[in-house]
Amino acid sequence: NAGVTQTPKFQVLKTGQSMTLQCAQDMNHEYMSWYRQDPGMGLRLIHYSVGAGITDQGEVPNGYNVSRSTTEDFPLRLLSAAPSQTSVYFCASSYTSNRDSAIFGAGTRLSVL
Amino acid sequence: AQSVAQPEDQVNVAEGNPLTVKCTYSVSGNPYLFWYVQYPNRGLQFLLKYITGDNLVKGSYGFEAEFNKSQTSFHLKKPSALVSDSALYFCAVRDKGAHRGSTLGRLYFGRGTQLTVWP
Repeated sequence: NAGVTQTPKFQVLKTGQSMTLQCAQDMNHEYMSWYRQDPGMGLRLIHYSVGAGITDQGEVPNGYNVSRSTTEDFPLRLLSAAPSQTSVYFCASSYTSNRDSAIFGAGTRLSVL
Repeated sequence: AQSVAQPEDQVNVAEGNPLTVKCTYSVSGNPYLFWYVQYPNRGLQFLLKYITGDNLVKGSYGFEAEFNKSQTSFHLKKPSALVSDSALYFCAVRDKGAHRGSTLGRLYFGRGTQLTVWP
């Protein structure tokens, strides 16, 4: 199915563990981004990419790394998980045009104990 | 700086009544405006957008939104609410004039408004 695919859907980590949240899209979108959603905070931008090989920081980048080796994939890495990173993570993609609406994945619910 | 405000955390309305979910924005240039809906345990779904032209924009599921430049608002409306409209609604803005490598493509979201429609 066309769209944005996120894996895993759920994950529980212990403090200090590392993991990678996967995001893939098959729409040839240039622009991809990661958000975290916390109650009462809306969606906050973590990192984004305007094309393969290009990434940049959003509002809340600390503790996260990204890379964009292909147009399709935009993984988010947690280097050393902390309880403050307990959240729901969404990946989104769009054409690199401000007119286009973004397509969101179904989300990854992460708990850090 | 770009920002979006949704002044109401919750909106409650009876089924069959009209509903309004409020949104105001601030951008350095001209805005592109979006509404998204999120059902429980789901990702965000696009509802509608304002790019240019007619200030009244029609979208999915009978929703519409009115762009008001003087009041910098983009309120979401529906003439007759359904119980199935109950969800979390997000307003978002992009800067029309953003250039590549800067804020191009970046969406700024409000905090969301929880809409509950009572039967």
